[in-house]
Amino acid sequence: SYELTQPPSVSVSPGQTARITCSGDALPKKYAYWYQQKSGQAPVLVIYEDSKRPSGIPERFSGSSSGTMATLTISGAQVEDEADYYCYSTDSSGNRHVVFGGGTKLTVL
Amino acid sequence: QITLKESGPTLVKPTQTLTLTCTFSGFSLSTSGVGVGWIRQPPGKALEWLALIYWDDDKRYSPSLKSRLTITKDTSKNQVVLTMTNMDPVDTATYYCAHSRPADYDILTGYYNGYYFDYWGQGTLVTVSS
Repeated sequence: SYELTQPPSVSVSPGQTARITCSGDALPKKYAYWYQQKSGQAPVLVIYEDSKRPSGIPERFSGSSSGTMATLTISGAQVEDEADYYCYSTDSSGNRHVVFGGGTKLTVL
Repeated sequence: QITLKESGPTLVKPTQTLTLTCTFSGFSLSTSGVGVGWIRQPPGKALEWLALIYWDDDKRYSPSLKSRLTITKDTSKNQVVLTMTNMDPVDTATYYCAHSRPADYDILTGYYNGYYFDYWGQGTLVTVSS
């Protein structure tokens, strides 16, 4: 079955740029999405269609995708950005099966 | 305003069947492009997509759990129901339902370029134990 691969953890100091990657064979043809999940809370969409930011998401969150890799970038990471981040995309066999990456724990300290 | 809420048992015994209901408001499952999905998360582990039902009654399941899952919708009641058979302690998790919307529309192919979850319920913890 289709898989999206993320690093288990990323660590940055406050104010630094954090980059979280997601690799998948279908990403050249399928959009990537990113969800933020803070402890004990439901996930929140922070990037959709590779690089678009939903209303209410701070501008420091941005997304990009090139080839088989999508990247979530948090420019000037804040302590409150510490969370688990999951990439998400559509299965390569069509548009209606979906898959989540394994998640990346972002530590900001 | 779109809201979703999961309901169902908090404790089930091994081998039993789990039935979860997602009750939603702020949208209709008869609207083109719309779907409702189920996602679960074992304690301390990653999100796992389980099932999706679309406005046209198309149903999709995680390949690894397909044989155990059934998803249905009741458009008049604004509800989606997920059943999972033969529950096991490894199925202990928080179960979320979420609203799915289409990505942009590809004029050349006549299809949406995928679907994604934009609104989530609060989740419900289901424990499997004898």
